[in-house]
Amino acid sequence: NAGVTQTPKFQVLKTGQSMTLQCAQDMNHEYMSWYRQDPGMGLRLIHYSVGAGITDQGEVPNGYNVSRSTTEDFPLRLLSAAPSQTSVYFCASTLAGGHTGELFFGEGSRLTVL
Amino acid sequence: TQLLEQSPQFLSIQEGENLTVYCNSSSVFSSLQWYRQEPGEGPVLLVTVVTGGEVKKLKRLTFQFGDARKDSSLHITAAQPGDTGLYLCAGDPSGTYKYIFGTGTRLKVLA
Repeated sequence: NAGVTQTPKFQVLKTGQSMTLQCAQDMNHEYMSWYRQDPGMGLRLIHYSVGAGITDQGEVPNGYNVSRSTTEDFPLRLLSAAPSQTSVYFCASTLAGGHTGELFFGEGSRLTVL
Repeated sequence: TQLLEQSPQFLSIQEGENLTVYCNSSSVFSSLQWYRQEPGEGPVLLVTVVTGGEVKKLKRLTFQFGDARKDSSLHITAAQPGDTGLYLCAGDPSGTYKYIFGTGTRLKVLA
């Protein structure tokens, strides 16, 4: 009964380092997305995907890359981390084909960039 | 650009009191969702409202979708400490799966 799994849960980086946040779901959901959550800002959409091989930008895509080679996985890459990317990151998924679908979230990945 | 504005941002009340949280937008949404998030966890869906004017009840929580489908409210009757959490409204204004979230209302219910 895994649902949406995010790794790592915590990460500290130095400015300029790169890393990948992993997201995997076992519900055969077509839609997957990444959000960042900052105090007073709610959740802001970074990138999303409606299926394998298809990705698109959200509200705050700069500094992040994504790919979707399988239905299950949707990794988020930070190529050169900056202190402004310190945040809590959430991956979410839902069945595509309708706009009222419930978003299922992972437990989050807390990233600190020094 | 924040398309969904929530108010109030913070709310601290005593157990047994009633409260209302508002979610407002200048855009029309085909549906709006409400989520609750607890510390260290991801948001969890409470309800989806689809029809303008719709009212849905979930135990002591009442959700309403505005007639023009630009706003929604969440009313909690006789709040309990277990209602403590961050409440978020969310929707897809363009029908392109760009789900956006409101700024959030952090509720604390004191025993």
